[in-house]
Amino acid sequence: GAVVSQHPSRVICKSGTSVKIECRSLDFQATTMFWYRQFPKQSLMLMATSNEGSKATYEQGVEKDKFLINHASLTLSTLTVTSAHPEDSSFYICSAKDRRSGANVLTFGAGSRLTVL
Amino acid sequence: SQELEQSPQSLIVQEGKNLTINCTSSKTLYGLYWYKQKYGEGLIFLMMLQKGGEEKSHEKITAKLDEKKQQSSLHITASQPSHAGIYLCGADDRNSGGSNYKLTFGKGTLLTVNP
Repeated sequence: GAVVSQHPSRVICKSGTSVKIECRSLDFQATTMFWYRQFPKQSLMLMATSNEGSKATYEQGVEKDKFLINHASLTLSTLTVTSAHPEDSSFYICSAKDRRSGANVLTFGAGSRLTVL
Repeated sequence: SQELEQSPQSLIVQEGKNLTINCTSSKTLYGLYWYKQKYGEGLIFLMMLQKGGEEKSHEKITAKLDEKKQQSSLHITASQPSHAGIYLCGADDRNSGGSNYKLTFGKGTLLTVNP
């Protein structure tokens, strides 16, 4: 079945640095990928929709200059948390939709836990 | 936008017991998805329902969508510790425009199964 690889699974960084998280669809092409954020014991909050070859669409309240999204190919989207601060610490999850699939079934990555010191 | 309400928020059951999780929408559901998440991990797709009255089963898990397509239930029979996790329902948000509908998720139900 469809597999999405997310890397790194855990990252610890100092305040003020930038962190890049990769989301790759391993055996399918994804014109659209989604980035979510999840706080402890809460549901997923959609941050942005990543479109291959075009600008990402951000949800209301999500700073696009803070969370840079690049979808350079049909199998890779990256989320860069710029000038990270402790409040950016969270669990970030990506998902992708197989472009061949008519239904909106998403395959999720395993998530990346970011800790900003 | 689509809003999904899940109940209960958390559930503790004894191994072997049956349980039901509900997902209610404020709008007609065009696509309803059930996912399972273990804490700190990604989501695993369970089932998708699209038609009113539709019912699907996989192993000991059965999901139903009511005729009005505004409520779905997830039923687990003879629960096991391996069923423990967070169950999330998601729905196509047709207000998102275009052909790539966003999924809106409920807040999840935390299931604990005691051996």
